[in-house]
Amino acid sequence: SQTIHQWPATLVQPVGSPLSLECTVEGTSNPNLYWYRQAAGRGLQLLFYSVGIGQISSEVPQNLSASRPQDRQFILSSKKLLLSDSGFYLCAWSMDRLAKNIQYFGAGTRLSVL
Amino acid sequence: KQEVTQIPAALSVPEGENLVLNCSFTDSAIYNLQWFRQDPGKGLTSLLLIQSSQREQTSGRLNASLDKSSGRSTLYIAASQPGDSATYLCAVTTGANNLFFGTGTRLTVIP
Repeated sequence: SQTIHQWPATLVQPVGSPLSLECTVEGTSNPNLYWYRQAAGRGLQLLFYSVGIGQISSEVPQNLSASRPQDRQFILSSKKLLLSDSGFYLCAWSMDRLAKNIQYFGAGTRLSVL
Repeated sequence: KQEVTQIPAALSVPEGENLVLNCSFTDSAIYNLQWFRQDPGKGLTSLLLIQSSQREQTSGRLNASLDKSSGRSTLYIAASQPGDSATYLCAVTTGANNLFFGTGTRLTVIP
């Protein structure tokens, strides 16, 4: 069966520090991968999605970047965190390139930038 | 751009009551609509997925309906239980490989 792992679960970082959140998927190959953010009191927002190694699409301009160095690994990064980067970050994967299938979500990372 | 709205933002009901959560979306050109459950500080659990060609889906005490032409969906929960307390999110999928989420309804079922 397929599983998705996301870590760390909780992170507290000072403003200006770097960030690296990692997401890995097991039990499938060539998945679509997604990073979402849920800011306090707001809905989920798609940040990045990837349909293959090295292929990243960004949905909104921001202080973050994403990379996919391996087929089942998706990394969310920042060189210098801002206060506004605080939120709940979710990684997800889906079975194929069509938008018709369910996305499966990780447990999330709660990031607090102080 | 697609906008998804959920009403009410919060709902409290006594245990055993039936309840309805509402979701509306502005662009009817969707592939599907999903209802998710989110427990505090945790990821999402997919509850039901309705394809654009379908009218409803059922799973246990949950029933979701979709009226694509009017841009509306409802999630019906029968015989609510305290364990149903969570935030419920609806999301629509567009051809851009994207999910558009509502802001959720926070449900509290009082024992």
